[in-house]
Amino acid sequence: EPEVTQTPSHQVTQMGQEVILRCVPISNHLYFYWYRQILGQKVEFLVSFYNNEISEKSEIFDDQFSVERPDGSNFTLKIRSTKLEDSAMYFCASSVPGELFFGEGSRLTVL
Amino acid sequence: GQNIDQPTEMTATEGAIVQINCTYQTSGFNGLFWYQQHAGEAPTFLSYNVLDGLEEKGRFSSFLSRSKGYSYLLLKELQMKDSASYLCAVRDISTGGSYIPTFGRGTSLIVHP
Repeated sequence: EPEVTQTPSHQVTQMGQEVILRCVPISNHLYFYWYRQILGQKVEFLVSFYNNEISEKSEIFDDQFSVERPDGSNFTLKIRSTKLEDSAMYFCASSVPGELFFGEGSRLTVL
Repeated sequence: GQNIDQPTEMTATEGAIVQINCTYQTSGFNGLFWYQQHAGEAPTFLSYNVLDGLEEKGRFSSFLSRSKGYSYLLLKELQMKDSASYLCAVRDISTGGSYIPTFGRGTSLIVHP
């Protein structure tokens, strides 16, 4: 069964460092998303991506965040200068109408 | 924006039936998802409703009433492994025309023997 894959599964970084989280969406899916979930809190929308560009972004997705689809398969989330409050699980998801599947997540710990 | 409301926590007995409700308010409704999430894991897709009525899938069923802004997830023949958080997510059309699923806070279900 096709699945969304994410790497790394866990990353520990120092405050102020740059982090890149990677995702390979399901191949025939058209919409891609990044969500985050701070421990004990709800799943929060960050950004959606369609047709090789950002289609929507939330207030959380400020200038320190960026997304790219560099090679037609990978979908990356970059956090330029991490802050303590960026510690969370980051989930990539891909979708066609009627389906939205999540990857296993990347746990980011900022020290 | 959206307002999605679910109970915070529910408990039930193994073998029983439980109904988890979700109410929502949105201006451009385009479907409702239910997910199961075990602690420390990713949300797992359970169901999707876009038209009114009941969708049945094994032990799990999901119901939608668009006019009432209401859905429920029904779990039958509860098993201990069903102890998890159940997330209601509403997809609506943003002002930019994108389809964005937004999640509620989830309902923590505890199944006891």
